[in-house]
Amino acid sequence: KNEVEQSPQNLTAQEGEFITINCSYSVGISALHWLQQHPGGGIVSLFMLSSGKKKHGRLIATINIQEKHSSLHITASHPRDSAVYICAVRWGTGNQFYFGTGTSLTVIP
Amino acid sequence: DGGITQSPKYLFRKEGQNVTLSCEQNLNHDAMYWYRQDPGQGLRLIYYSQIVNDFQKGDIAEGYSVSREKKESFPLTVTSAQKNPTAFYLCASATTGGVGKLFFGSGTQLSVL
Repeated sequence: KNEVEQSPQNLTAQEGEFITINCSYSVGISALHWLQQHPGGGIVSLFMLSSGKKKHGRLIATINIQEKHSSLHITASHPRDSAVYICAVRWGTGNQFYFGTGTSLTVIP
Repeated sequence: DGGITQSPKYLFRKEGQNVTLSCEQNLNHDAMYWYRQDPGQGLRLIYYSQIVNDFQKGDIAEGYSVSREKKESFPLTVTSAQKNPTAFYLCASATTGGVGKLFFGSGTQLSVL
């Protein structure tokens, strides 16, 4: 079983700050997902990574396969970024996903 | 647009009652999943299915049952044997093979009356 750890558990930032959320996993993976869950519960997929770096708007996701670590960065944070961010991994040819416990982000105006 | 539809959004269960949560997808995904989310905990796998007419138990399957008669549909029944059913339930689907794109429904909040 792959252990997935996220940090920090909770994060409060001022609007405009640069934010980093970290995810570490214990076993080599085929893909890592960053997910966003807003109050109300629905989850959307932000990024799917198997190597390197991806950028979408103010969000950047990186992964270091050798170190088994990924980061999600938010530049120029905004109150609408307030949500729970969840890291999920999938490995080998299996179709199961394993999830971190999430990072609750609050951005204050 | 393709996506996953869960219903109902809110559901109340009386003691001793079985209730069924609906999950339908039109993404043509083979793999479908049911997860339970409790406050402060990560998503926990209840059941998953990789193909029609086949499904496997996840980490917390006791008190739940599923069926996969059609590719598009993966309903979850919360039986009376589940003594602590109050939670947020999420259905997901994914492509199989490769890196696997993952999609979620909007969730069902189940509460006990």
